[in-house]
Amino acid sequence: SQQGEEDPQALSIQEGENATMNCSYKTSINNLQWYRQNSGRGLVHLILIRSNEREKHSGRLRVTLDTSKKSSSLLITASRAADTASYFCATDGRFGNEKLTFGTGTRLTIIP
Amino acid sequence: DTEVTQTPKHLVMGMTNKKSLKCEQHMGHRAMYWYKQKAKKPPELMFVYSYEKLSINESVPSRFSPECPNSSLLNLHLHALQPEDSALYLCASSQGQGPNQPQHFGDGTRLSIL
Repeated sequence: SQQGEEDPQALSIQEGENATMNCSYKTSINNLQWYRQNSGRGLVHLILIRSNEREKHSGRLRVTLDTSKKSSSLLITASRAADTASYFCATDGRFGNEKLTFGTGTRLTIIP
Repeated sequence: DTEVTQTPKHLVMGMTNKKSLKCEQHMGHRAMYWYKQKAKKPPELMFVYSYEKLSINESVPSRFSPECPNSSLLNLHLHALQPEDSALYLCASSQGQGPNQPQHFGDGTRLSIL
C-alpha cells in the first residue's frame, strides 16, 4: 500500500524548541499533505506540497519534499504547548488514485 | 469550531441495534468522505461520495451503509456491528474529488459496540 511511515513515532521537546518529523512513502506521488490531530478531535489540514516543489512554508511550518528519496519532513519552529498533537502525512497515487492514504503518525508533546 | 459537523459525538450501541451517524457541511464542497480511526492509528478510508454519488467503497462490510441525501449531508447507517467496529468515525469534505484537495474533517463520532 501507499501508506507512509513516520519517524519518530513519538517526540517530546521543550517549549520554544524546533520539532522535526519525517515521512517516508513507497511509490511515486503527485502531492503530499500534512495534517494535525489534537486529542479527541478531527484532523486539520496544515500544508500541501506538490511533487515538483521542494520546500514550502506556512507561518512556523516548513515542509520539504525529496521525491528521489520518497521522503518529506515537517519542521515546526519555536514550538508552543498548543502544538501538542499527532501529525500525519498523507499521500496520493501517481496515476489518478482518488484517495489519500495516511501515514502512521508522529505524536508530538511540547513540555511547557 | 470545525466547519464539518458530526452527530452524535458519542454513541454506544449493542450488536443488534440500528443507528445512524450524521455529517453536515455548508462549504459547498462536492466530495465527502467517511473514515474509521482506531486508537493511535491513522484514519482509514471507508467511502467517498462525489457529487452525491458513491465513487469509492473500500471493501467495507455491508453492516455499514452510507447515504448522501444531498450535497451537504452524509449519513452512515449501522446495523449488526461487531465489537471490533468500535472506533472514531470521521467525516470529511473537500471542494472537489481528488487527493490534491485539502480535506476538512469533523470531530468525529466515538462509537462503542457492546
